[in-house]
Amino acid sequence: QKEVEQNSGPLSVPEGAIASLNCTYSDRGSQSFFWYRQYSGKSPELIMFIYSNGDKEDGRFTAQLNKASQYVSLLIRDSQPSDSATYLCAVNSGANTGNQFYFGTGTSLTVIP
Amino acid sequence: GAGVSQSPSNKVTEKGKDVELRCDPISGHTALYWYRQSLGQGLEFLIYFQGNSAPDKSGLPSDRFSAERTGGSVSTLTIQRTQQEDSAVYLCASSLVDGWGKTQYFGPGTRLLVL
Repeated sequence: QKEVEQNSGPLSVPEGAIASLNCTYSDRGSQSFFWYRQYSGKSPELIMFIYSNGDKEDGRFTAQLNKASQYVSLLIRDSQPSDSATYLCAVNSGANTGNQFYFGTGTSLTVIP
Repeated sequence: GAGVSQSPSNKVTEKGKDVELRCDPISGHTALYWYRQSLGQGLEFLIYFQGNSAPDKSGLPSDRFSAERTGGSVSTLTIQRTQQEDSAVYLCASSLVDGWGKTQYFGPGTRLLVL
């Protein structure tokens, strides 16, 4: 069983719409959760991280975490063509259980003008 | 300030040769990670360094892979007797270790092609 799972997509949304990206993880003890954006041929760049259950908003981005369901999502409001990229979900179990980050395989998002 | 740098940016080698990949982390970052990303795939964890602690080598795929970190800063990933399946982008990341906030910052990667 994969540690972190994401739908590979591709996910296509029209410009201005909300894009919803989902991620599930297997380790119930996971403590911190990250969303990275990766443009084709580039390295991943951090969008945001979340530790606590609930929503965390940063500009057009909202991360949602539900530890009971082992589910983390990323919402992108008012999607722009420049948001077209692969979005990677990463999970860290915390210092007590190791320092590995487990990455999903990513969801490819295309925002159509 | 300067970000994570990696060299070379591209490396083409012949099967059976050894290669060395270099990573310069962000100054002051005590944690350093190596990952491998094959075409269209996610990031595969290879090895983790934290300060003077023994590295976590649990992700290294075979004994042909090794890494070291000198002086708590620069790291070198060495692949001996390269195979075609080693072809991938090798990414290095560094982070501060501040409790759970292990936000990683990635370098541009080294694209390795084994012929």
